[in-house]
Amino acid sequence: QVQLQESGPGLVKPSQTLSLTCTVSGGSITSGGFYWSWIRQPAGKGLEWIGRLDTSGSTNYIPSLRSRVTISIDTSKNQLSLRLNSVTAADTAIYYCARETRPTWDYYYYMDVWGKGTTVTVSS
Amino acid sequence: AIRMTQSPSSFSASTGDRVTITCRASQDISSHLAWYQQKPGRAPKLLIYLASTLQSGVPSRFSGSGSGTDFTLTISCLQSEDFANYFCQQYHSYPLTFGGGTTVEI
Repeated sequence: QVQLQESGPGLVKPSQTLSLTCTVSGGSITSGGFYWSWIRQPAGKGLEWIGRLDTSGSTNYIPSLRSRVTISIDTSKNQLSLRLNSVTAADTAIYYCARETRPTWDYYYYMDVWGKGTTVTVSS
Repeated sequence: AIRMTQSPSSFSASTGDRVTITCRASQDISSHLAWYQQKPGRAPKLLIYLASTLQSGVPSRFSGSGSGTDFTLTISCLQSEDFANYFCQQYHSYPLTFGGGTTVEI
């Protein structure tokens, strides 16, 4: 049973870089042809997809964050990473990582496993 | 970006009720829609994918329907553990987008 666990600093100062990791247990991050996503949810608001990475290293990002975000994989640690530069209070949110999969006969991926999320506050 | 409009945003129900939540996409997403359940402090849980396919291990009282732009999630007989937040998500095109969520309250 694959499990995902997000971790990182709970407090980040404005203009600094937010760095989070998602540790994958119960399976290899590079096997199975999965995609891996980051999603966030500001308090009292809806979910916002940030971006995804496939195991070939290809990425897709939401246009509004593309200039500030990097998603990567550390295969040696079986971890997914998120870096978000130049943060502001608007980046305060719960951040989730998720695994994506697809039926063998379809090309579209959906999120089948999520982490519990980690809360990040941007404040001086 | 495809906008996902979910309704209602919240409502009260009782155990045993049949409840329906709707999700409307701003453009055709075929059947590439998923439904999730979210409880405070817990990982969101996949209920339905491909609009109507029940995820393994999810009780059969949950069902999904629809295609194109209009979708529904139905809980046939509400149980106490079903009081939670539910949201839809389209995975037809980038950027992936979510509905605003529906809170089912006692």
